[in-house]
Amino acid sequence: DTEVTQTPKHLVMGMTNKKSLKCEQHMGHRAMYWYKQKAKKPPELMFVYSYEKLSINESVPSRFSPECPNSSLLNLHLHALQPEDSALYLCASRTWAPNTEAFFGQGTRLTVV
Amino acid sequence: DQQVKQNSPSLSVQEGRISILNCDYTNSMFDYFLWYKKYPAEGPTFLISISSIKDKNEDGRFTVFLNKSAKHLSLHIVPSQPGDSAVYFCAAGGGSEKLVFGKGTKLTVNP
Repeated sequence: DTEVTQTPKHLVMGMTNKKSLKCEQHMGHRAMYWYKQKAKKPPELMFVYSYEKLSINESVPSRFSPECPNSSLLNLHLHALQPEDSALYLCASRTWAPNTEAFFGQGTRLTVV
Repeated sequence: DQQVKQNSPSLSVQEGRISILNCDYTNSMFDYFLWYKKYPAEGPTFLISISSIKDKNEDGRFTVFLNKSAKHLSLHIVPSQPGDSAVYFCAAGGGSEKLVFGKGTKLTVNP
């Protein structure tokens, strides 16, 4: 099983809403990532969790709050987002062994209205 | 500062011919390089990778070449097929958990 599952696939939310994106993998990977991708741009790293601890925060605004409840799950809590936060949010996971590929989920298409 | 550069935003080739996608990097700490293929509104799919201890890695129709002295890598697809039409991202890692992506090259393979 080399699958990373993200839910929901699409999400429309208002600027005052609170919502969460979910990501799940059962490959035993100990590094999990959140990326943001805008149209015609590369994926931009937001957060990295290593062994369930936040190891990298790329200066992401606090309206994005990551959570790693266990080694298989990664959440991204959203609150008071802006329309410019509309993007494809990608989750990825990777084994801790060096020089290995990251597996990506299908992404959540987020629209903030 | 862009650490991974894909200077060609697009490439068009005929079916059956070779596609060559290029990538340059600036960070000497990078020691692992990957190519991903991406369709619109989907996550990137891993294609092939290469470690800095090698200069070539081959997997079926896909071959990645690494020139460390030039800090350059390329992906060769031969023969190209219409189903290869997608955006191809070069990514690099090394020294941390980070994977840094280039801006991508949109490949169109014409029948």
